[in-house]
Amino acid sequence: EPEVTQTPSHQVTQMGQEVILRCVPISNHLYFYWYRQILGQKVEFLVSFYNNEISEKSEIFDDQFSVERPDGSNFTLKIRSTKLEDSAMYFCASSRELYSNQPQHFGDGTRLSIL
Amino acid sequence: AQTVTQSQPEMSVQEAETVTLSCTYDTSESDYYLFWYKQPPSRQMILVIRQEAYKQQNATENRFSVNFQKAAKSFSLKISDSQLGDAAMYFCAYRSAGATTGTYKYIFGTGTRLKVLA
Repeated sequence: EPEVTQTPSHQVTQMGQEVILRCVPISNHLYFYWYRQILGQKVEFLVSFYNNEISEKSEIFDDQFSVERPDGSNFTLKIRSTKLEDSAMYFCASSRELYSNQPQHFGDGTRLSIL
Repeated sequence: AQTVTQSQPEMSVQEAETVTLSCTYDTSESDYYLFWYKQPPSRQMILVIRQEAYKQQNATENRFSVNFQKAAKSFSLKISDSQLGDAAMYFCAYRSAGATTGTYKYIFGTGTRLKVLA
């Protein structure tokens, strides 16, 4: 069964550095999402993306964050100048259709550790 | 704004027995969808079951079933004949049916960690 894949599984970065988290959504999916989960807390929505543009973003998704679909397969989340509080698990998700009963498929996540 | 509450941080169940995980939500919308996701130690979020709010019949997937009480805004998950592989973090999630932005974000609860005892 097709899966959403994320790389790397664990990223360690110095505070202030830029980091790019990569995701390969399921190939026939059109809607893409990033969520984050701070250790021990709930999963929080960051941003949704469709047709090469952001559809919705949360208050967490400030100017330090950006998303891109640089080619037909990858979907990336960039944090320009990382802060300690950016340490979290980041999940990418995708869904096939714009019908709300279609579930989102999640990747394994990237654990981001900011030192 | 919608909220999702899971009041049980942790639950335990004996293997082969039944356990119910609770979830309540708050919304002013009449049409929406509810999901239960499982997150084992391997980290991947796996869809367990989903419920359309307009359906009165409770969703069932093999050993997993829900008790959906729309008026009470309650959406509990029942796991029958619990197995060791059911041990995981379980998240309840809400999703609007109508999106002005064109996409449908999930709103998650804080999760319930389920331990299955042999």
